[in-house]
Amino acid sequence: EDKVVQSPLSLVVHEGDTVTLNCSYEVTNFRSLLWYKQEKKAPTFLFMLTSSGIEKKSGRLSSILDKKELFSILNITATQTGDSAVYLCAVEPPGGSQGNLIFGKGTKLSVKP
Amino acid sequence: DGGITQSPKYLFRKEGQNVTLSCEQNLNHDAMYWYRQDPGQGLRLIYYSQIVNDFQKGDIAEGYSVSREKKESFPLTVTSAQKNPTAFYLCASIEQGGQPQHFGDGTRLSIL
Repeated sequence: EDKVVQSPLSLVVHEGDTVTLNCSYEVTNFRSLLWYKQEKKAPTFLFMLTSSGIEKKSGRLSSILDKKELFSILNITATQTGDSAVYLCAVEPPGGSQGNLIFGKGTKLSVKP
Repeated sequence: DGGITQSPKYLFRKEGQNVTLSCEQNLNHDAMYWYRQDPGQGLRLIYYSQIVNDFQKGDIAEGYSVSREKKESFPLTVTSAQKNPTAFYLCASIEQGGQPQHFGDGTRLSIL
């Protein structure tokens, strides 16, 4: 079964809209949760979250983690066509090999002009 | 500029053929990873290596092999035993201090 579940799987919005992407996980005591943006090629790092309730912000993007309810959200305000991409959520599980990540299937965001 | 270089960008495999995907990094990172990405799927871990001359299987290692003879290099061989190799392959590395993983631009492999 999937340990990291993202929703929705795809989303179409218009420029200027605000979107919220969801990531829920079944990994307790994880080390960190990461968000990546993937356009055509390499995923690029957006945020890393380790503490519950502390918002990370970068320009129009922000993210927060709820460790009690086991989910994270990624918000994008005033969307632009350049925000069109697949957004990946990943969790670093406890124990085992440090550095390994479990990825969700991603949310494909399309922003129409 | 430091980074991860994957080559080639596109690769075609004939039936019964082994092909090798290159991944080189000049970030002085210890750990390196190979992922496979299929349409509509997330990244699935094939193999990873945390130090030179050592590597471990990930979730979908069957039909693949790797080597780690140098810190900078982590090539992936897709063998003829991998019956469905068509996918986008991503290489990543991570510094000793921890996340995030950094990714190369990927290799798209198709069957002829």
